[in-house]
Amino acid sequence: KQEVTQIPAALSVPEGENLVLNCSFTDSAIYNLQWFRQDPGKGLTSLLLIQSSQREQTSGRLNASLDKSSGRSTLYIAASQPGDSATYLCAVVSGNTGKLIFGQGTTLQVKP
Amino acid sequence: KAGVTQTPRYLIKTRGQQVTLSCSPISGHRSVSWYQQTPGQGLQFLFEYFSETQRNKGNFPGRFSGRQFSNSRSEMNVSTLELGDSALYLCASSATGTSDNEQYFGPGTRLTVT
Repeated sequence: KQEVTQIPAALSVPEGENLVLNCSFTDSAIYNLQWFRQDPGKGLTSLLLIQSSQREQTSGRLNASLDKSSGRSTLYIAASQPGDSATYLCAVVSGNTGKLIFGQGTTLQVKP
Repeated sequence: KAGVTQTPRYLIKTRGQQVTLSCSPISGHRSVSWYQQTPGQGLQFLFEYFSETQRNKGNFPGRFSGRQFSNSRSEMNVSTLELGDSALYLCASSATGTSDNEQYFGPGTRLTVT
C-alpha cells in the first residue's frame, strides 16, 4: 500500500531564504508526482507535475526533483516571499489512473 | 478557460440528512475525482468518474455515492450524514484521468454536520 510522508510538518523562515520541502513515498512504482499549494480554507493549486521518466521540473522560483529509486521528491523554493506562505502537498499516482495519494503536507510561513 | 467549479461552497446539515454536492470540470476534461479533506485524515480519495462510469473507488462506506453526466459534470451524494462527515470536499478534473494528466482542483465545498 502506497504511503506518502512529508517532512517537516511545519516550517517558518525569514523572507529571502531558499528552502527545501521533502516528500517520500514507500512504493517506487509511481506514474507521476504532483506538488500542490493550498491556502487556508481553499482548494489546491497545482504547482508542478513530474512524470516518472523525468528527474525534475521547474516553474519560476520553484524546482521539483524526483528520485524514484529512493522514493523521494523535493520542492525547492528560491528567494522565499511572504506570499509563499501556504500548505504544500505532494501526491503520487501509483496506477495508470487519476487517483492521487497525498502526504499530510508541510505548512510554510515566510516572515517579512 | 474557466477552472473547476463546485457548488455550493458552504453547507450546514443535520445528522441523518442527506446532501448532494456538484462539480463542473474544466471544459473538455472527461475525468472527475472527488476527495475528502479533514484535519485528522488529510486528503482521501473518494471516487473517480470517466465518461459517466465510476472507474475507481476509495475506502468509504456506501453512504457516499456519485455520478457523472454526459457533459462530464459530476455530483456526489452523502446519505444519512454523520458528524464525522464534516469536511472540505474537493473535486479535481483532468483530461483523461490517466497518469500523464495534470489534475486541477476546484475551491471545494465546506460541509458542516451538526
